Amino acid sequence: AQKVTQAQTEISVVEKEDVTLDCVYETRDTTYYLFWYKQPPSGELVFLIRRNSFDEQNEISGRYSWNFQKSTSSFNFTITASQVVDSAVYFCALSGIQGGSEKLVFGKGTKLTVNP
Amino acid sequence: DAGVTQSPTHLIKTRGQQVTLRCSPISGHKSVSWYQQVLGQGPQFIFQYYEKEERGRGNFPDRFSARQFPNYSSELNVNALLLGDSALYLCASSLEGSTDTQYFGPGTRLTVL
Repeated sequence: AQKVTQAQTEISVVEKEDVTLDCVYETRDTTYYLFWYKQPPSGELVFLIRRNSFDEQNEISGRYSWNFQKSTSSFNFTITASQVVDSAVYFCALSGIQGGSEKLVFGKGTKLTVNP
Repeated sequence: DAGVTQSPTHLIKTRGQQVTLRCSPISGHKSVSWYQQVLGQGPQFIFQYYEKEERGRGNFPDRFSARQFPNYSSELNVNALLLGDSALYLCASSLEGSTDTQYFGPGTRLTVL
C-alpha cells in the first residue's frame, strides 16, 4: 500500500528562521511522483513542486528547496528565511497506479506558524 | 487562464438529504478528481474521471457517485447524508492522469446537521 507520513504535526518558528518539513513515503511502485502542496487558511491547495522517482536532484526555487533521497524514502521541504505569509498547512503527497486506480495519497499535513 | 472552479462555496444540509457539488477544470484538462478533506486530515481520494469514464474510486460507500460531462466538468453526488460527511470537498484537474500535476479548486465546504 502507498503511504505518506508527515511526523511533524505542528511547527512554530520566528520570522527569518529556516524550517524543514519532513516527509517519508512508502510505495512498491518503481515509477512514482512526489508532490508538495500548501494549504493557507482559505482552504485551497496550492501546488508547489512535483518530482518523479528517477530524478533525485535537489531543487531550489527562491526561498524553497526540496531534498529527495530515495535511499531513505524521504522528500523533505525547507523554507529559508521564513516569512509570516508562509504560515499554512503543508502536505506531502505521492501518486502512482495501484489496483488500476490513479490517485494522490496525502500525508496528514504539517501546520507551520511563522510568528513576527 | 482561469483555475479550477467549484460551486457552491458553502453548503448546509441535514441528515438524509442529497447534495450535488460541481467542478469546472482548467481549460484543456481532461481529468477531474474528487477528494474529501475532514478537519485536521489530509485529503482522501474519492473518484477520478478521465474522458467521461471513471478511472478510479477510493474507499467510499455507494452513496457517493460522480460523473463527467463532455465539456470535462464534473459533478459529485452524495445521497443519504450523514453527519460524518461534513468536510471540505476538493476538486482537482490534470491534463490526463494523477501522475500529471493536479491543480485544486477552492473547495466546497459541506456541513451536515
